[in-house]
Amino acid sequence: SQTIHQWPATLVQPVGSPLSLECTVEGTSNPNLYWYRQAAGRGLQLLFYSVGIGQISSEVPQNLSASRPQDRQFILSSKKLLLSDSGFYLCAWSVIVLTGELFFGEGSRLTVL
Amino acid sequence: KNQVEQSPQSLIILEGKNCTLQCNYTVSPFSNLRWYKQDTGRGPVSLTIMTFSENTKSNGRYTATLDADTKQSSLHITASQLSDSASYICVVSTKRGLTGGGNKLTFGTGTQLKVEL
Repeated sequence: SQTIHQWPATLVQPVGSPLSLECTVEGTSNPNLYWYRQAAGRGLQLLFYSVGIGQISSEVPQNLSASRPQDRQFILSSKKLLLSDSGFYLCAWSVIVLTGELFFGEGSRLTVL
Repeated sequence: KNQVEQSPQSLIILEGKNCTLQCNYTVSPFSNLRWYKQDTGRGPVSLTIMTFSENTKSNGRYTATLDADTKQSSLHITASQLSDSASYICVVSTKRGLTGGGNKLTFGTGTQLKVEL
């Protein structure tokens, strides 16, 4: 069966510090991978998606970046965090890109102080 | 602009009671609609998927309906349990364009359900 893991689960970082959230998927090959952000009272916002190694599509301009160094690994990064980067970040994978069922990780709660 | 609106924003019911959550959308062209359940601090999990030709689909005590003409969906929960306390998110998918790419999923903001003793 397929599983998805993301870490860390919680993170408290000062403004201006770097960020690295990691996500891995097991039990499937060539998954479509996604990073979403969920702010309180708002719907999930797609940040990045990837259909293959090294292929990254950005949906929202911001100071975040994503990388896919391996088939089942997806990393969300920032060189300098802003207060507005605080939120709940979710990694997900799907068989069909952008319109199929999403399988989410457990989420990472980021607080920028 | 593609939008998904859910109501009510929050709901409190007693254990054992039924409830219905609403989802209205303006997404076009429509491909499918999913309901997800998100426990607090966890990732969402898919409950049901509705395609254009489907009116009703059940998953245990969860029953989803779709009216493609009025662009409305509902999620009915029967005999609620404490474990049903969660946020329920409606997600509408558009058909992929010939060129592909782009954001083809529109998320509602969710209905926060609390089931009490």
